Amino acid sequence: NAGVTQTPKFQVLKTGQSMTLQCAQDMNHNSMYWYRQDPGMGLRLIYYSASEGTTDKGEVPNGYNVSRLNKREFSLRLESAAPSQTSVYFCASSEGTSGSGMETQYFGPGTRLLVL
Amino acid sequence: AQSVTQLDSQVPVFEEAPVELRCNYSSSVSVYLFWYVQYPNQGLQLLLKYLSGSTLVESINGFEAEFNKSQTSFHLRKPSVHISDTAEYFCAVSDRYNFNKFYFGSGTKLNVKP
Repeated sequence: NAGVTQTPKFQVLKTGQSMTLQCAQDMNHNSMYWYRQDPGMGLRLIYYSASEGTTDKGEVPNGYNVSRLNKREFSLRLESAAPSQTSVYFCASSEGTSGSGMETQYFGPGTRLLVL
Repeated sequence: AQSVTQLDSQVPVFEEAPVELRCNYSSSVSVYLFWYVQYPNQGLQLLLKYLSGSTLVESINGFEAEFNKSQTSFHLRKPSVHISDTAEYFCAVSDRYNFNKFYFGSGTKLNVKP
């Protein structure tokens, strides 16, 4: 099993450009998440999806949109990139939909995004 | 919302020495507690977690963490570190009443020197 995969691994954008970060998991997990990681700030939740067809905002959703395309795939879109969105983006998944907060999250390798 | 504080951004230590990485969280509301490890250029992976029961939890590679409710802490310890433990360690908290929302600390970089 590949686990959680993310594409691309690295991307450079100009301010105002748009792009979509792709994420897929092959563990039949119900919940998926997008985080951004900035130096000295740890990981912050952007959006999450508790099940296919549902999405909810996390801590820092402004400037982003998401799509839960099917159970396997969860994409993150930047409509008009800004330098403040320079970061490392991680996708994660977890097994259930119970919302118990007990579940282990499985992370992809990350996408490094540089916005000039 | 929860907040998670990792007091040390970097911890240098010599091989075979003991280490403690500190983590404190803000809320007295029932929480679940996690430690994740990130090796260079990789995603995070679970090291250990506290859900309930014994306040001392252990990982398969010799790390342990103790949940202290009165001090709202979940410090990570290892009695003897190896070079291979060099990584960044993140403490995380999930709120039992706030669906699947995890709050991460800012991370502690453990640098094990020979």
